[in-house]
Amino acid sequence: ETGVTQTPRHLVMGMTNKKSLKCEQHLGHNAMYWYKQSAKKPLELMFVYSLEERVENNSVPSRFSPECPNSSHLFLHLHTLQPEDSALYLCASSQGREASYNEQFFGPGTRLTVL
Amino acid sequence: LAKTTQPISMDSYEGQEVNITCSHNNIATNDYITWYQQFPSQGPRFIIQGYKTKVTNEVASLFIPADRKSSTLSLPRVSLSDTAVYYCLVTGNQFYFGTGTSLTVIP
Repeated sequence: ETGVTQTPRHLVMGMTNKKSLKCEQHLGHNAMYWYKQSAKKPLELMFVYSLEERVENNSVPSRFSPECPNSSHLFLHLHTLQPEDSALYLCASSQGREASYNEQFFGPGTRLTVL
Repeated sequence: LAKTTQPISMDSYEGQEVNITCSHNNIATNDYITWYQQFPSQGPRFIIQGYKTKVTNEVASLFIPADRKSSTLSLPRVSLSDTAVYYCLVTGNQFYFGTGTSLTVIP
């Protein structure tokens, strides 16, 4: 138990569906992250939020839309996804973004399958 | 963004010490070196972080030479449960998880 929870743990959706992934951290951290991990590939950093402000967006397609309503919650809204978007989506949080404060605590991930 | 290079895979017998070396030639002055462990279908887990010389905690040691262009993660007396992927990161304000080193511990 890392103090970071993600729901749902598994999600199957069609390409025309709209769904959302939820992440919650109970650690009092100020930074939150979304990562994508496809089979046999490195983790890809998608979005970074610091103090509820998006500070990094790594060329992610607009069909992925993040939302950070407060420092404890992070959402990833999904719409009109493609089969190649099937992957493990990981949420993480850290105390801050500066070096020596940026140890990341990861959630268990959401396994997404797009049909 | 400082990228890292580490071996793709390693095998070790139970009870042995395992050393995984990572090179990071473009490390910046403010960057730290951080190692994570990841089991299949789980998120990575922080192992250890250091800036220079040697850092030790209850699970690992991290050796960083003076030029900081490489680092070595040392796992003492590995067990089967240490079979995982190990990532070396240079962490300043940005992160890059490379392909990691897949460690297999053999009975």
